[in-house]
Amino acid sequence: DVVMTQSPLSLPVTLGQPASISCRSSQSLVYSDGNTYLSWFHQRPGQSPRRLIYKVSSRDSGVPDRFSGSGSGTDFTLKISRVEAEDVGVYYCMQGSHWFTFGQGTKLEIK
Amino acid sequence: EVQLVESGGGLVKPGGSLRLSCAASGFTFINAWMSWVRQAPGKGLEWIGRIKDKTEGETADYAAPVEGRFTISRDDSKNTLFLQMNSLKTDDTAVYYCTADWAGGPGVWGQGTLVTVSS
Repeated sequence: DVVMTQSPLSLPVTLGQPASISCRSSQSLVYSDGNTYLSWFHQRPGQSPRRLIYKVSSRDSGVPDRFSGSGSGTDFTLKISRVEAEDVGVYYCMQGSHWFTFGQGTKLEIK
Repeated sequence: EVQLVESGGGLVKPGGSLRLSCAASGFTFINAWMSWVRQAPGKGLEWIGRIKDKTEGETADYAAPVEGRFTISRDDSKNTLFLQMNSLKTDDTAVYYCTADWAGGPGVWGQGTLVTVSS
């Protein structure tokens, strides 16, 4: 099974400052079709998760451009250029190249 | 508007069974690969299984913790996804989300339905 490891698990950020979350997979996420199926999700307290990023760096419809994804192979990063109050919650990475596996989650809070 | 609405959750005793439903609207359900993802209280997300569309034989795959106990099925005529859960354990207590998958992952999520397994 593919194991997804996120860091940090807790991320206090000042409003307006950037934030970055790392996600590492236990094996390459390059699929046989050449795509890399790595997604990022955001879950606010009491709400369902929402996908932000798919295939490493493509933003889902309606996702603000302050969110960006990057990486390749086994190492991936989600960046928020300027954190806003609505960004609080838990962020999960997920691989979709070998069925689905989620990371443990990173809790973003405002300092 | 794309929408997924789960139902069927509730309280069940260990060893019991429960069937969840997920009503889909706003997209072409017959072509969609669909998954179930669960979240135990205060914990992270866990994918439990997926069913492909008819062109792929409606093949279902399952995560190890539920294989042999849970069955995913679909009724394309009613735009509905199902999760049959048998031999339930206390560890199965969670909110169960239905998702529509594309581009390698769950693109749309339902609001979830709570399943509590307790004596």
